[in-house]
Amino acid sequence: AQSVTQLGSHVSVSEGALVLLRCNYSSSVPPYLFWYVQYPNQGLQLLLKYTSAATLVKGINGFEAEFKKSETSFHLTKPSAHMSDAAEYFCAVSDRTSGTYKYIFGTGTRLKVLA
Amino acid sequence: EAQVTQNPRYLITVTGKKLTVTCSQNMNHEYMSWYRQDPGLGLRQIYYSMNVEVTDKGDVPEGYKVSRKEKRNFPLILESPSPNQTSLYFCASSLRGGSTEAFFGQGTRLTVV
Repeated sequence: AQSVTQLGSHVSVSEGALVLLRCNYSSSVPPYLFWYVQYPNQGLQLLLKYTSAATLVKGINGFEAEFKKSETSFHLTKPSAHMSDAAEYFCAVSDRTSGTYKYIFGTGTRLKVLA
Repeated sequence: EAQVTQNPRYLITVTGKKLTVTCSQNMNHEYMSWYRQDPGLGLRQIYYSMNVEVTDKGDVPEGYKVSRKEKRNFPLILESPSPNQTSLYFCASSLRGGSTEAFFGQGTRLTVV
């Protein structure tokens, strides 16, 4: 069965430092891949998605992610963290092969930005 | 404004008292789903509906029912709520699932005592 793993349930970075949030998927066929962000007391909103076009995907708010098939990874990065980036981030996959196109979410990484 | 609307946002109820959480989307999306979010477990899919004719169980369907009588609405029904259903619930819709973006409601925080 398809699964997604996010390493690190909590990540802290200083303001202005690099943000790196890790996501690995398990599938022999590359799935569709997404990163969502959840701000306090809100629903999730899409940051970016990979659907088999360019392997480097740019999203909103300066975030980007690189699809690496050899590593089955889709890590999220941002060169310089801002206080407003503090939120919970979810990696998600959608299985191309099952026919149901259901989304499977990782357990989330809470990002804390230190002043 | 394109949105997914859930109601209520907060609900406290007693064990065994039937409740319904409503979900409505105004984007003409085919695919709708319900998730529950619990600390350390992320979001787990309860039910999904690929269109008004196809509804199926997700990963944690026990104790829940859904209905998709029309495209825009997808209510979640708890016939006999129990304390282990205390959670944060999200409804989501997308054009057709798969590669398309999911739009989420604001969430419903349910407490069953």
